[in-house]
Amino acid sequence: AQSVTQLGSHVSVSEGALVLLRCNYSSSVPPYLFWYVQYPNQGLQLLLKYTTGATLVKGINGFEAEFKKSETSFHLTKPSAHMSDAAEYFCAVSDPAQKLVFGQGTRLTINP
Amino acid sequence: SAVISQKPSRDICQRGTSLTIQCQVDSQVTMMFWYRQQPGQSLTLIATANQGSEATYESGFVIDKFPISRPNLTFSTLTVSNMSPEDSSIYLCSAGGSNNEQFFGPGTRLTVL
Repeated sequence: AQSVTQLGSHVSVSEGALVLLRCNYSSSVPPYLFWYVQYPNQGLQLLLKYTTGATLVKGINGFEAEFKKSETSFHLTKPSAHMSDAAEYFCAVSDPAQKLVFGQGTRLTINP
Repeated sequence: SAVISQKPSRDICQRGTSLTIQCQVDSQVTMMFWYRQQPGQSLTLIATANQGSEATYESGFVIDKFPISRPNLTFSTLTVSNMSPEDSSIYLCSAGGSNNEQFFGPGTRLTVL
C-alpha cells in the first residue's frame, strides 16, 4: 500500500530564504508523486508532479522537487521564499487505481 | 487541466438534516473523487464516483451516510446524510487527469450545529 510522510507539520522561514519541505513515500509500484498547495479558504492547486523521466521536476511559482528513489523522497524546494508562499503544502502519491494518498501536510509560514 | 466548481461553497446545517454538494467539471473526465478534510487535517478519500455504476467507497465510509451520484462524465453529487457536528469539514471533489494527477474544486465548507 502507498503511504506518505511529511516531516514537519510546521515550517517557518524568512522572506528570501530557502524553502525545504520534506516528503518521504512508500509505494509497492513505481510511484507517481505530487505536491499540492492549499491557500487559506481555498481548494488544492497542483504545484508539480513526477511521473517518469527527469527526476528534477519544476513546477509553478518557482518550486521544484527531486525524486530520489534510493531515499524514497520527493522533497519540495524554492530558492527564495516570498510572503505569498505562506500556505499548507501536501505531498501525495498515486496508487494503481489512480487514488491519491496524502501526507499530513506542512504549514509554511514566511517571516518578513 | 480541468476546471472544477462546487456548490454550495459553504453551509451551516442543523443536526439530523442532509446536504447535497454538487461538483461540475468543465470537460468530460473518466475519474471523479470525493474527499473530506476535517479541521486542521489532511485529505481523506471518501469514494470514487463511477459513471453509470455505484460509487466505490473507502474503508470507514458507507453509502447510506454519503450517497454519491454520477449521472454523466462532467457532474457528480455527494450527499452528507443525517448530519452530526462530527461531519463539520471541508468536502472537496476532484477530477482525474492524465498521469494520475487530480484537479480539485474549491471545496464546500460545512458546519453542523
